[in-house]
Amino acid sequence: ETGVTQSPTHLIKTRGQQVTLRCSSQSGHNTVSWYQQALGQGPQFIFQYYREEENGRGNFPPRFSGLQFPNYSSELNVNALELDDSALYLCASSTGHSYGYTFGSGTRLTVV
Amino acid sequence: AQKVTQAQTEISVVEKEDVTLDCVYETRDTTYYLFWYKQPPSGELVFLIRRNSFDEQNEISGRYSWNFQKSTSSFNFTITASQVVDSAVYFCALSGGNAGNMLTFGGGTRLMVKP
Repeated sequence: ETGVTQSPTHLIKTRGQQVTLRCSSQSGHNTVSWYQQALGQGPQFIFQYYREEENGRGNFPPRFSGLQFPNYSSELNVNALELDDSALYLCASSTGHSYGYTFGSGTRLTVV
Repeated sequence: AQKVTQAQTEISVVEKEDVTLDCVYETRDTTYYLFWYKQPPSGELVFLIRRNSFDEQNEISGRYSWNFQKSTSSFNFTITASQVVDSAVYFCALSGGNAGNMLTFGGGTRLMVKP
């Protein structure tokens, strides 16, 4: 097991720009989920991918999109960044059977 | 819809004190899973425990113990003889039923253990 790795660790973007965050999932985990954690709050579910297809989405607009690749790595893309998108973005991988989720350390995005 | 409430936003204790973190959940599903995660300053969510809705046995793991009571929809977490290294934000979370694998988190409880 190699754990979940996210890159970059920190990022500063300007309002209106686009950003791509990356996640390398734990070996053997075919499900990846993304969460947004605003300062002082609990993580909020953005969406989940299983075998390269989105199979669950939280209350986030379409400008939040993702991809999962055959090697279980994944991306979170956010278009037309807004100030409220400033948050810690967490990636989590699992075997898809609710046995638990392994989280990465997150990417802290600041939109100015 | 699922909901998790952690009423204690911040708790401060002195080392070696016992502390209980409260978690109350809401769900209409009969099959669900409850979790506790620890988030140190590094940001990573560290898995502590997973419990399914059919297993109400309390669990003890070293200084950690969990009390699951379906009658009150609570899943409380107790740290015995707290240590400075226990200082972190702790999250209770819920998944299962119609929500599938999606985790619904509470707002978290910040625990500060002072030497």
